[in-house]
Amino acid sequence: GIQVEQSPPDLILQEGANSTLRCNFSDSVNNLQWFHQNPWGQLINLFYIPSGTKQNGRLSATTVATERYSLLYISSSQTTDSGVYFCAGASGSARQLTFGSGTQLTVLP
Amino acid sequence: DTGVSQNPRHKITKRGQNVTFRCDPISEHNRLYWYRQTLGQGPEFLTYFQNEAQLEKSRLLSDRFSAERPKGSFSTLEIQRTEQGDSAMYLCASSGRTGSPGYTFGSGTRLTVV
Repeated sequence: GIQVEQSPPDLILQEGANSTLRCNFSDSVNNLQWFHQNPWGQLINLFYIPSGTKQNGRLSATTVATERYSLLYISSSQTTDSGVYFCAGASGSARQLTFGSGTQLTVLP
Repeated sequence: DTGVSQNPRHKITKRGQNVTFRCDPISEHNRLYWYRQTLGQGPEFLTYFQNEAQLEKSRLLSDRFSAERPKGSFSTLEIQRTEQGDSAMYLCASSGRTGSPGYTFGSGTRLTVV
């Protein structure tokens, strides 16, 4: 199966700062999703983005499929953005996603 | 639609006992997934259903684990003869047909084996 590497593993920001999270894949993926796990453990789907760029409010994501990486941008961060951000992908005919180990984001007031 | 529902939210059991968890997916979703998450790790895939057919099982799913999805609606995950290493958060997700592949996760069932 594919390997998913996320960086950085931990990130501490002051409220209002911007950040970029990165996800590298060992193989081409045709299904790529970003999730936010809040401090209560709930996983929220942020983006389905196998290629291209999408934006949703202060969040945006870009996937460069040919180079097997994806970026998640968080602008003007808020304390409610704290939690763990996961990327996950699937390749070939696989329907199940393989998750990275996550980026733990802490936004300080 | 209230999203993906999992029950119970928490389960404490003694080693050697059997436990069963339930997942009710979003009604129009035909794909259902079970994952397991331990502290500090990302979710690990366990098994996947398309409608009532179990199409994929991870090698993590030992013979003590069994999952069903009768009639392609809710699903159950049973663990027999629980071990302390089974302690984890068990997550269920569902997704729709081609063109709507984004996962929606439930809140999970936290299992503690004592």
